Amino acid sequence: GESVGLHLPTLSVQEGDNSIINCAYSNSASDYFIWYKQESGKGPQFIIDIRSNMDKRQGQRVTVLLNKTVKHLSLQIAATQPGDSAVYFCAENMNDYKLSFGAGTTVTVRA
Amino acid sequence: SQTIHQWPATLVQPVGSPLSLECTVEGTSNPNLYWYRQAAGRGLQLLFYSVGIGQISSEVPQNLSASRPQDRQFILSSKKLLLSDSGFYLCAWNREVNSPLHFGNGTRLTVT
Repeated sequence: GESVGLHLPTLSVQEGDNSIINCAYSNSASDYFIWYKQESGKGPQFIIDIRSNMDKRQGQRVTVLLNKTVKHLSLQIAATQPGDSAVYFCAENMNDYKLSFGAGTTVTVRA
Repeated sequence: SQTIHQWPATLVQPVGSPLSLECTVEGTSNPNLYWYRQAAGRGLQLLFYSVGIGQISSEVPQNLSASRPQDRQFILSSKKLLLSDSGFYLCAWNREVNSPLHFGNGTRLTVT
């Protein structure tokens, strides 16, 4: 079965607000994590990644937080825009070729 | 820069017919190549991966096979499609383990 899961399947957020998407993983041996964004009819697009020796990493308008104690990963999007509406996937890797994906969270931005 | 191409974008095939989906990567050499399938409203399931020409690892027993005839070419095939083979097929590549996968735009396969 999947070792990566999302806390909520959908998230509705007001334009301009911050979004937080959560992800739980079950394999404590996982050492690399990625967030992807997938728009309708397209392939997943890489957003940001983080290795297990870090607990926070920032990109442009996005921040990924990793809590290894509770095996929790989150993606924060600052000042959410309509173009951020998509399905977001977390994925984990255990230093092999098998990247395991969660089921995804659908983010809808309200104008 | 690197690019990945998948074709066709959509495909409708009858049950029992053969399948060939092609994926090519440009701008890099000796990539790791992957085939994933995504069911509607679901996450991605790894089907096959390849670390080099002629080297294929299968993750899920199924009606599909994969081949890598050239360094940057990855092909997904079936001799006889089943209804359950319908889905969104995604090709991806990366340079090494624990690095981001870069996906193509997928092929929407409908088996009727």
